[in-house]
Amino acid sequence: DAKTTQPTSMDCAEGRAANLPCNHSTISGNEYVYWYRQIHSQGPQYIIHGLKNNETNEMASLIITEDRKSSTLILPHATLRDTAVYYCIVRVFSGSARQLTFGSGTQLTVLP
Amino acid sequence: DSGVTQTPKHLITATGQRVTLRCSPRSGDLSVYWYQQSLDQGLQFLIQYYNGEERAKGNILERFSAQQFPDLHSELNLSSLELGDSALYFCASSVGGGSGTEAFFGQGTRLTVV
Repeated sequence: DAKTTQPTSMDCAEGRAANLPCNHSTISGNEYVYWYRQIHSQGPQYIIHGLKNNETNEMASLIITEDRKSSTLILPHATLRDTAVYYCIVRVFSGSARQLTFGSGTQLTVLP
Repeated sequence: DSGVTQTPKHLITATGQRVTLRCSPRSGDLSVYWYQQSLDQGLQFLIQYYNGEERAKGNILERFSAQQFPDLHSELNLSSLELGDSALYFCASSVGGGSGTEAFFGQGTRLTVV
């Protein structure tokens, strides 16, 4: 699985959009980008995933660059409850039975 | 609520003891994953079961073992416990055994070894 690089921490004002970047320059053609988050000491929560097209769901939007070497998770209107560690994970969608590999993630703090 | 149930939520035990952590996956999910998260450490994959069979293994210690039963619930057994085994233990489940894409995590069991 491709390695990802994320900033260690970010702040965002409540009500504003939070844009969390992720670099995955070694991503291969059959690897997807997934985002999970972990609110302090709770179980990780799935947010969104995508291959090459931009994706949107009720939680967030995922923007993947055309060369697929980086992506941005967008929380459109951040709330205090969005304060969490956000993990960007790159892996093959299916095939071999492999687990999600979590890196260090980005600590997002939403400020009132 | 992810639909994954872990029991107990908290566990305090002494060094050298043995404990069993239990996980009930979401209805219909065949795959169960176990993760360990020590204080200030990342999530470390331990082991995966799919429909009763071991599918993948991470850096799981020999003192640790797991199994998945016919009703698909899983148990993680930790023996000869050491202080360093104190951690949050998470279980996750997914429909398939190959993707783990949309894995749903339980709220974890906090193990404290004293």
